[in-house]
Amino acid sequence: EIVLTQSPATLSLSPGEGATLSCGASQSIDSFLAWYQKKPGQTPRLIVYDVSKRASGIPARFSGSGSGTDFSLTISSLEPEDFAVYHCQQYRDWPLTFGPGTKVEI
Amino acid sequence: QVQLVESGGGVVQPGRSLRLSCAASGFSFRSFSMHWVRQAPGKGLEWVAIISHDEEKIFYGDSVQGRFTVSRDNSNNMLHLQMNNLRAEDTAVYYCAKDPYNYNYMDVWGKGTTVTVSS
Repeated sequence: EIVLTQSPATLSLSPGEGATLSCGASQSIDSFLAWYQKKPGQTPRLIVYDVSKRASGIPARFSGSGSGTDFSLTISSLEPEDFAVYHCQQYRDWPLTFGPGTKVEI
Repeated sequence: QVQLVESGGGVVQPGRSLRLSCAASGFSFRSFSMHWVRQAPGKGLEWVAIISHDEEKIFYGDSVQGRFTVSRDNSNNMLHLQMNNLRAEDTAVYYCAKDPYNYNYMDVWGKGTTVTVSS
């Protein structure tokens, strides 16, 4: 099983600041990585797929990068609605796995 | 628009069974792989199962392999998850999610249905 780790566990920032979230894989996953946003009581939302492609309707302040085993999601300037938990997910191999999440809090 | 609505959750005793369903609308259900993903209280997302559009590809997460069975009814745009021999650690919100094609990630999610396994 491919294990994903995320850091930091919590990121405390203010609106307008930038955020960089990291995701590491226990083995190479090429470019098979997605990022999701999850807010309490709400449905998960796809943010990025194939490492760097923004999903439909996702604003340009979100960007993904990386390859192999090290990946990041950057939010250039945090809006109030961006405070949430972000999970990475690999789809290189079975079983599909998620990272434990990074909470971006005010 | 694309809509996924889960149902069938509830409170069940350990060792018993439960069947979840997901009603899909707003897209050509028969053309897309579908997933089940869960989130236990205070925990992160955990992938549960995938079924391809033609049922040729079915895979499960390690923690549910042998106990859960995913199926679909393309005639009625329904996805199902049969959960047997339930354990306390299966307590979670269960989400139905659509695959963009057969890419193995999830582009649209339902609101989820809650399963509580408790005596």
